[in-house]
Amino acid sequence: QKEVEQNSGPLSVPEGAIASLNCTYSDRGSQSFFWYRQYSGKSPELIMFIYSNGDKEDGRFTAQLNKASQYVSLLIRDSQPSDSATYLCAVKVAGGSYIPTFGRGTSLIVHP
Amino acid sequence: DAGITQSPRHKVTETGTPVTLRCHQTENHRYMYWYRQDPGHGLRLIHYSYGVKDTDKGEVSDGYSVSRSKTEDFLLTLESATSSQTSVYFCAISEYSSGRSYEQYFGPGTRLTVT
Repeated sequence: QKEVEQNSGPLSVPEGAIASLNCTYSDRGSQSFFWYRQYSGKSPELIMFIYSNGDKEDGRFTAQLNKASQYVSLLIRDSQPSDSATYLCAVKVAGGSYIPTFGRGTSLIVHP
Repeated sequence: DAGITQSPRHKVTETGTPVTLRCHQTENHRYMYWYRQDPGHGLRLIHYSYGVKDTDKGEVSDGYSVSRSKTEDFLLTLESATSSQTSVYFCAISEYSSGRSYEQYFGPGTRLTVT
């Protein structure tokens, strides 16, 4: 049973701070890792994906992957109230699988 | 934005009636998925398709069937709707290409209420 775990939150950070969202996974064969943002009442939106150990940066977002420790993180720098949403982590194993396993998401609140 | 539409966007139906939800894509992606999302459960996969007429069950497929007669359309049918099927339903698509790995793009969702 593949498991992807996220703290449900809410994680509350002040505007301008760094928000750190974490995700752990159980399957060591996991290869691809995705972060989605979901605003209330809306559909999930892909914001980042990462395949290799280390960091991947895209604007204010940085994904960090540590396969040895089986976790992936999303850092949001200079957090804005518009970043308030639920962030979903998804993990896909290696090989021909095209179906990811989703975590239940972490609610982020950025307060002015 | 990926070209994915879902219809209807909202529906209220009575217990015992059949309901069909439609997902339409203009991206020519091979893989299509139906999820439901409920508080406390996250996204759960209902059915998926890996090509025209090729479908398979997900983790919560009981009471649901699907069909895909064209690349662009994936239909989800609730054969006899029950109150436990009240949920938000999302369609997603994905494709494989060099340097990428089946990342999914979601449609806007259908909010279904079964009374």
